[in-house]
Amino acid sequence: GENVEQHPSTLSVQEGDSAVIKCTYSDSASNYFPWYKQELGKRPQLIIDIRSNVGEKKDQRIAVTLNKTAKHFSLHITETQPEDSAVYFCAASNNYGQNFVFGPGTRLSVLP
Amino acid sequence: SQTIHQWPATLVQPVGSPLSLECTVEGTSNPNLYWYRQAAGRGLQLLFYSVGIGQISSEVPQNLSASRPQDRQFILSSKKLLLSDSGFYLCAWSGGQGALGQETQYFGPGTRLLVL
Repeated sequence: GENVEQHPSTLSVQEGDSAVIKCTYSDSASNYFPWYKQELGKRPQLIIDIRSNVGEKKDQRIAVTLNKTAKHFSLHITETQPEDSAVYFCAASNNYGQNFVFGPGTRLSVLP
Repeated sequence: SQTIHQWPATLVQPVGSPLSLECTVEGTSNPNLYWYRQAAGRGLQLLFYSVGIGQISSEVPQNLSASRPQDRQFILSSKKLLLSDSGFYLCAWSGGQGALGQETQYFGPGTRLLVL
Protein backbone atom coordinates (compact mmCIF):
# COMPACT_ATOMS: atom_id res chain seq x y z
CA GLY A 1 0.00 0.00 0.00
CA GLU A 2 0.84 3.68 -0.11
CA ASN A 3 3.22 5.19 2.47
CA VAL A 4 3.61 8.95 2.87
CA GLU A 5 6.48 10.54 4.77
CA GLN A 6 6.59 14.22 5.69
CA HIS A 7 9.46 16.47 6.81
CA PRO A 8 10.15 18.35 8.93
CA SER A 9 7.83 17.42 11.80
CA THR A 10 8.18 20.94 13.24
CA LEU A 11 9.22 24.17 11.54
CA SER A 12 9.71 27.65 12.94
CA VAL A 13 10.18 30.66 10.68
CA GLN A 14 10.27 34.41 11.14
CA GLU A 15 7.30 36.36 9.88
CA GLY A 16 7.88 37.30 6.26
CA ASP A 17 10.21 34.39 5.55
CA SER A 18 9.33 31.38 3.39
CA ALA A 19 8.42 27.91 4.64
CA VAL A 20 8.85 24.64 2.75
CA ILE A 21 7.39 21.27 3.73
CA LYS A 22 8.33 18.13 1.83
CA CYS A 23 6.51 14.83 1.37
CA THR A 24 7.50 11.58 -0.30
CA TYR A 25 5.22 8.77 -1.37
CA SER A 26 5.80 5.17 -2.34
CA ASP A 27 3.00 4.13 -4.74
CA SER A 28 3.68 5.14 -8.33
CA ALA A 29 -0.08 4.78 -9.01
CA SER A 30 -0.81 7.82 -6.85
CA ASN A 31 -1.93 10.76 -8.97
CA TYR A 32 -3.58 13.19 -6.58
CA PHE A 33 -1.73 15.15 -3.88
CA PRO A 34 -3.69 17.49 -1.57
CA TRP A 35 -2.45 19.64 1.30
CA TYR A 36 -4.52 20.37 4.40
CA LYS A 37 -4.13 23.01 7.10
CA GLN A 38 -5.37 22.29 10.61
CA GLU A 39 -5.58 25.15 13.07
CA LEU A 40 -5.65 24.36 16.78
CA GLY A 41 -8.89 22.64 17.76
CA LYS A 42 -10.31 22.84 14.22
CA ARG A 43 -10.88 20.42 11.38
CA PRO A 44 -8.28 19.94 8.61
CA GLN A 45 -9.12 22.09 5.60
CA LEU A 46 -7.93 21.70 2.04
CA ILE A 47 -5.66 24.58 1.01
CA ILE A 48 -4.26 23.40 -2.31
CA ASP A 49 -3.96 20.24 -4.36
CA ILE A 50 -2.11 19.05 -7.43
CA ARG A 51 -2.61 16.26 -9.93
CA SER A 52 0.09 14.34 -11.71
CA ASN A 53 -0.43 16.04 -15.04
CA VAL A 54 1.13 19.29 -13.75
CA GLY A 55 4.41 20.03 -12.02
CA GLU A 56 3.49 23.16 -10.10
CA LYS A 57 0.40 25.00 -8.91
CA LYS A 58 0.14 28.38 -7.20
CA ASP A 59 -2.56 30.14 -5.22
CA GLN A 60 -1.46 33.54 -3.93
CA ARG A 61 1.22 32.90 -1.27
CA ILE A 62 1.10 29.12 -1.43
CA ALA A 63 2.41 26.80 -4.11
CA VAL A 64 2.87 23.08 -4.52
CA THR A 65 5.47 21.35 -6.68
CA LEU A 66 5.45 17.72 -7.77
CA ASN A 67 8.27 15.49 -8.99
CA LYS A 68 6.69 12.20 -10.08
CA THR A 69 9.99 10.63 -11.04
CA ALA A 70 11.39 11.11 -7.55
CA LYS A 71 7.97 10.58 -5.92
CA HIS A 72 8.02 13.74 -3.88
CA PHE A 73 5.98 16.91 -3.60
CA SER A 74 6.42 20.08 -1.59
CA LEU A 75 4.37 22.92 -0.13
CA HIS A 76 5.84 26.40 -0.35
CA ILE A 77 4.48 29.31 1.67
CA THR A 78 5.95 32.73 0.94
CA GLU A 79 5.77 35.90 3.04
CA THR A 80 4.59 33.91 6.04
CA GLN A 81 2.18 35.52 8.50
CA PRO A 82 1.25 34.57 12.08
CA GLU A 83 -2.06 33.16 10.85
CA ASP A 84 -0.12 30.58 8.82
CA SER A 85 0.79 28.91 12.12
CA ALA A 86 -0.92 25.50 12.08
CA VAL A 87 -0.33 21.83 11.41
CA TYR A 88 -0.04 20.96 7.73
CA PHE A 89 -0.81 17.50 6.35
CA CYS A 90 0.06 16.20 2.92
CA ALA A 91 -1.71 13.21 1.36
CA ALA A 92 -1.56 11.00 -1.70
CA SER A 93 -4.17 8.94 -3.50
CA ASN A 94 -5.03 7.64 -6.90
CA ASN A 95 -7.52 9.40 -9.15
CA TYR A 96 -10.49 7.56 -7.69
CA GLY A 97 -9.74 8.37 -4.06
CA GLN A 98 -8.63 4.85 -3.31
CA ASN A 99 -5.68 4.29 -1.03
CA PHE A 100 -5.89 7.89 0.30
CA VAL A 101 -3.03 8.20 2.79
CA PHE A 102 -2.05 11.19 4.96
CA GLY A 103 1.44 12.14 6.03
CA PRO A 104 2.15 12.52 9.77
CA GLY A 105 1.96 16.32 9.71
CA THR A 106 4.23 19.36 10.15
CA ARG A 107 3.69 21.90 12.91
CA LEU A 108 4.54 25.32 11.49
CA SER A 109 5.13 28.24 13.83
CA VAL A 110 5.50 31.74 12.39
CA LEU A 111 7.28 33.95 14.88
CA PRO A 112 6.47 37.70 14.94
CA SER B 1 -23.23 22.93 -1.90
CA GLN B 2 -22.21 20.05 0.30
CA THR B 3 -22.25 20.20 4.09
CA ILE B 4 -21.07 17.69 6.66
CA HIS B 5 -22.37 17.60 10.23
CA GLN B 6 -21.11 15.80 13.30
CA TRP B 7 -22.56 15.55 16.77
CA PRO B 8 -22.07 15.89 19.57
CA ALA B 9 -19.29 18.47 19.44
CA THR B 10 -17.85 17.39 22.78
CA LEU B 11 -18.45 14.37 24.98
CA VAL B 12 -17.18 13.24 28.37
CA GLN B 13 -17.82 9.58 29.09
CA PRO B 14 -16.77 7.15 31.85
CA VAL B 15 -14.66 4.11 31.05
CA GLY B 16 -16.85 1.16 30.13
CA SER B 17 -19.76 3.24 28.88
CA PRO B 18 -21.15 2.96 25.33
CA LEU B 19 -20.53 5.46 22.55
CA SER B 20 -22.44 6.65 19.52
CA LEU B 21 -21.15 9.43 17.26
CA GLU B 22 -23.10 10.50 14.22
CA CYS B 23 -22.09 12.05 10.93
CA THR B 24 -24.39 13.20 8.14
CA VAL B 25 -23.66 14.72 4.75
CA GLU B 26 -25.95 16.99 2.77
CA GLY B 27 -25.89 18.02 -0.86
CA THR B 28 -24.37 14.91 -2.40
CA SER B 29 -25.31 11.31 -3.03
CA ASN B 30 -23.34 8.07 -2.86
CA PRO B 31 -20.40 9.64 -1.01
CA ASN B 32 -17.44 7.75 0.34
CA LEU B 33 -17.44 8.26 4.10
CA TYR B 34 -14.55 8.03 6.56
CA TRP B 35 -13.95 8.04 10.33
CA TYR B 36 -10.59 9.28 11.62
CA ARG B 37 -9.24 9.61 15.14
CA GLN B 38 -6.65 12.17 16.14
CA ALA B 39 -4.91 11.92 19.49
CA ALA B 40 -3.71 15.19 21.01
CA GLY B 41 -0.86 16.62 18.95
CA ARG B 42 -0.82 13.64 16.62
CA GLY B 43 -1.74 12.75 13.05
CA LEU B 44 -4.89 11.38 11.43
CA GLN B 45 -5.57 7.70 12.03
CA LEU B 46 -8.09 6.18 9.60
CA LEU B 47 -10.53 3.97 11.52
CA PHE B 48 -13.23 3.05 9.00
CA TYR B 49 -14.33 3.90 5.50
CA SER B 50 -17.49 3.12 3.57
CA VAL B 51 -18.24 3.20 -0.15
CA GLY B 52 -21.96 2.48 0.24
CA ILE B 53 -24.84 1.54 2.54
CA GLY B 54 -23.86 -1.40 4.72
CA GLN B 55 -20.32 -1.52 3.28
CA ILE B 56 -17.73 -0.88 5.99
CA SER B 57 -13.99 -1.46 5.88
CA SER B 58 -11.98 -1.41 9.09
CA GLU B 59 -8.40 -0.20 9.06
CA VAL B 60 -7.34 -1.05 12.61
CA PRO B 61 -8.43 -3.65 15.16
CA GLN B 62 -10.15 -1.97 18.08
CA ASN B 63 -13.22 -1.90 20.26
CA LEU B 64 -14.95 0.51 17.88
CA SER B 65 -17.42 -0.30 15.12
CA ALA B 66 -19.05 1.69 12.35
CA SER B 67 -22.35 1.46 10.52
CA ARG B 68 -23.90 3.18 7.53
CA PRO B 69 -27.67 2.74 7.78
CA GLN B 70 -28.43 5.38 5.14
CA ASP B 71 -26.56 6.74 2.14
CA ARG B 72 -25.45 9.94 3.87
CA GLN B 73 -25.28 8.78 7.49
CA PHE B 74 -22.23 7.26 9.16
CA ILE B 75 -22.20 6.17 12.80
CA LEU B 76 -19.25 5.29 15.03
CA SER B 77 -20.02 3.12 18.06
CA SER B 78 -18.48 1.33 20.97
CA LYS B 79 -20.01 -1.00 23.54
CA LYS B 80 -17.40 -0.24 26.21
CA LEU B 81 -15.08 2.77 26.03
CA LEU B 82 -11.42 2.57 27.03
CA LEU B 83 -9.24 5.41 28.29
CA SER B 84 -7.26 5.13 25.06
CA ASP B 85 -10.39 5.98 23.06
CA SER B 86 -10.04 9.64 24.05
CA GLY B 87 -9.33 11.90 21.10
CA PHE B 88 -10.72 14.08 18.34
CA TYR B 89 -13.00 12.09 16.02
CA LEU B 90 -13.35 13.40 12.50
CA CYS B 91 -15.78 12.29 9.85
CA ALA B 92 -14.96 13.01 6.21
CA TRP B 93 -16.59 12.53 2.83
CA SER B 94 -15.41 12.36 -0.75
CA GLY B 95 -16.98 11.78 -4.16
CA GLY B 96 -18.73 8.51 -4.86
CA GLN B 97 -17.07 5.28 -5.86
CA GLY B 98 -15.40 5.46 -9.22
CA ALA B 99 -15.92 9.19 -9.45
CA LEU B 100 -12.85 10.48 -11.24
CA GLY B 101 -11.75 13.88 -10.06
CA GLN B 102 -13.84 13.73 -6.88
CA GLU B 103 -11.26 12.23 -4.59
CA THR B 104 -10.79 15.20 -2.28
CA GLN B 105 -11.78 14.48 1.30
CA TYR B 106 -13.72 17.13 3.24
CA PHE B 107 -13.87 16.97 7.00
CA GLY B 108 -16.67 17.57 9.46
CA PRO B 109 -16.19 19.80 12.53
CA GLY B 110 -15.24 16.83 14.72
CA THR B 111 -16.23 15.42 18.09
CA ARG B 112 -13.88 15.82 21.01
CA LEU B 113 -14.19 12.74 23.25
CA LEU B 114 -12.74 12.49 26.73
CA VAL B 115 -12.93 9.15 28.49
CA LEU B 116 -12.41 9.32 32.25
